[in-house]
Amino acid sequence: KAGVTQTPRYLIKTRGQQVTLSCSPISGHRSVSWYQQTPGQGLQFLFEYFSETQRNKGNFPGRFSGRQFSNSRSEMNVSTLELGDSALYLCASTLSGTTNEQFFGPGTRLTVL
Amino acid sequence: KNEVEQSPQNLTAQEGEFITINCSYSVGISALHWLQQHPGGGIVSLFMLSSGKKKHGRLIATINIQEKHSSLHITASHPRDSAVYICAAQGVRGTDKLIFGTGTRLQVFP
Repeated sequence: KAGVTQTPRYLIKTRGQQVTLSCSPISGHRSVSWYQQTPGQGLQFLFEYFSETQRNKGNFPGRFSGRQFSNSRSEMNVSTLELGDSALYLCASTLSGTTNEQFFGPGTRLTVL
Repeated sequence: KNEVEQSPQNLTAQEGEFITINCSYSVGISALHWLQQHPGGGIVSLFMLSSGKKKHGRLIATINIQEKHSSLHITASHPRDSAVYICAAQGVRGTDKLIFGTGTRLQVFP
């Protein structure tokens, strides 16, 4: 069974641009969560989707948004990029909304210049 | 105060030593996760605990729900165990949201 995939793996953008990151969960997994990892703040929860519905959202500005499609693939979008958005963005998938092991993707490393 | 605290932040060991990493949390949880992150960023789930103790190879994880404390032990440590170990609290049922500790950077020398 293929693992969680994220595209692109690396991305360089400039301030003010927008970016869309993609996450394909393990086949059969219906829940996708997104996390941001920076050296200063560590790992922080962005949002969680289950069956195309946002179930939970972290403390991030409205510039950060996401969605989930009927095939459980998820995208996150960051508009009006700031230097501080430079980070590793990780997604994780689980079978459902109950207490299950989370499987992480390799991440997308975003650099904002 | 962070909702999930880990100690120590950094740990060095000689190959073969017994290692303990501690995690304390202040929130109600449905599960406590231990994760491993190697340079390059990939995160692997090691354990998910809601009570008691779990063992996988040389790794053992325990949790004390009353004291809101969990430990990760590595027996007979090896240089390939060098990584960052992160504990994460999963909150109320019905969400996969994780609250992370700051991580413990482990280096095992031959």
